[in-house]
Amino acid sequence: DQQVKQNSPSLSVQEGRISILNCDYTNSMFDYFLWYKKYPAEGPTFLISISSIKDKNEDGRFTVFLNKSAKHLSLHIVPSQPGDSAVYFCAASAQRSSNTGKLIFGQGTTLQVKP
Amino acid sequence: GAGVSQSPRYKVAKRGQDVALRCDPISGHVSLFWYQQALGQGPEFLTYFQNEAQLDKSGLPSDRFFAERPEGSVSTLKIQRTQQEDSAVYLCASSLDLRISINYGYTFGSGTRLTVV
Repeated sequence: DQQVKQNSPSLSVQEGRISILNCDYTNSMFDYFLWYKKYPAEGPTFLISISSIKDKNEDGRFTVFLNKSAKHLSLHIVPSQPGDSAVYFCAASAQRSSNTGKLIFGQGTTLQVKP
Repeated sequence: GAGVSQSPRYKVAKRGQDVALRCDPISGHVSLFWYQQALGQGPEFLTYFQNEAQLDKSGLPSDRFFAERPEGSVSTLKIQRTQQEDSAVYLCASSLDLRISINYGYTFGSGTRLTVV
C-alpha cells in the first residue's frame, strides 16, 4: 500500500522553463511534507518542506504547493537549470500522531533539464 | 565531521553471510534513522533511535535485521544470514531534534550499497 505516490517516473524540461513535480498521498494523518533531491551515489539532500497548516512555501527558485483536499502536493522549480537534474523524492510524516517522525517516501521522479 | 558518515560505501556479501553497516551521525544529533532503498524505489523506513533508545523498529523486515546505538552516537545495522532480497542501499539519517524544523529536514549519509551474491 503506497501511501505516497509519485506517478511520473521521469520529466524532461528545457533550461529556463518551469519544472513541476507532482506527489499524491493517501494518509490524512500526514501533517508535514518534504522534498528531497538525490544525485547518483549520494544520499538524499533536503530541499524544501511544508506544514499542513500552509498551502505554499517558497525558497528561491523552489516553491512547494499543498492541496489538502486533493491530498496533492507539487514542487515548482523556476527557472530550471541543468544542475537541477537529479531524482526528486516527495516524503511525508505524521508528526502529531507519531513519536518517531519517520518519513514515508514516494518512488521518485527523475528530472532532466536540457541546456 | 560535518555530515553523516556511513561505512563501508560498498559491501558484497555471499548469501548466508552476516554483515554490519556503520553510521556516524552529525555530532550532537539526537535522532537517528535507518532506511532501505531498493533499486528504483524511494527509501523505506527501517528503524529510529532517540539517543540510545530504539523507539521504533516497525520497519525492520525480519528478525535477521538488528540495529543498535549503545552510546547514543554511532549506530550499527546488522543483517544476519543475508539473502539476495537484502540487496539495497542502506541509508542513515540524523536530526538535531525529533521535530522536523521547516527549514531543516533530516541529513542523510551517502549510504552503503549492499550486494548479496
